[in-house]
Amino acid sequence: ETGVTQSPTHLIKTRGQQVTLRCSSQSGHNTVSWYQQALGQGPQFIFQYYREEENGRGNFPPRFSGLQFPNYSSELNVNALELDDSALYLCASSLSGGPIAKNIQYFGAGTRLSVL
Amino acid sequence: AQSVTQPDIHITVSEGASLELRCNYSYGATPYLFWYVQSPGQGLQLLLKYFSGDTLVQGIKGFEAEFKRSQSSFNLRKPSVHWSDAAEYFCAVPGNQFYFGTGTSLTVIP
Repeated sequence: ETGVTQSPTHLIKTRGQQVTLRCSSQSGHNTVSWYQQALGQGPQFIFQYYREEENGRGNFPPRFSGLQFPNYSSELNVNALELDDSALYLCASSLSGGPIAKNIQYFGAGTRLSVL
Repeated sequence: AQSVTQPDIHITVSEGASLELRCNYSYGATPYLFWYVQSPGQGLQLLLKYFSGDTLVQGIKGFEAEFKRSQSSFNLRKPSVHWSDAAEYFCAVPGNQFYFGTGTSLTVIP
């Protein structure tokens, strides 16, 4: 049990719709990262937020956006959903005062998104 | 750019047998390295990490990994596998982001 919770657990959307996924970080953690894990693949880094600001971004288009709130909970928003967005979306929280390198990330169980 | 490669997509071992999962990294300097495990329907759980110092690191659940700079490897080992170890295993190296390998799926047969 990592203390990182994600909601919802499962979600079904249709192409073109918008979706919001939520993450509650482990107590005391000020950094949250989001990952997309397609079936049979490793997690792919989407972006990271540190103290409510984006702190790094992977190779994902701008229709993937995020927010981090003062209580360090976070949202991942995806606009104009495409079929290839179907994946497990993982949130990870960590305590960071600097570079990503030593961040030990604690993962939630993920949200399974299916786009039809 | 940093990257990790896990050459084995799937491994099957008998319960009680030893296990080694391979991970090769690409990194300019001495890397930090992580191994995570993902059980079905679960998020990723940290097994162990290497930052510096002793090249043999111990983790949870009886796992260990050895950092070998000469081979650019960080292989995960366990002397005796239990049925509950069946899962997906990921090696990761952080840089400006966390880079995960594609994973190795472990099946344990009785």
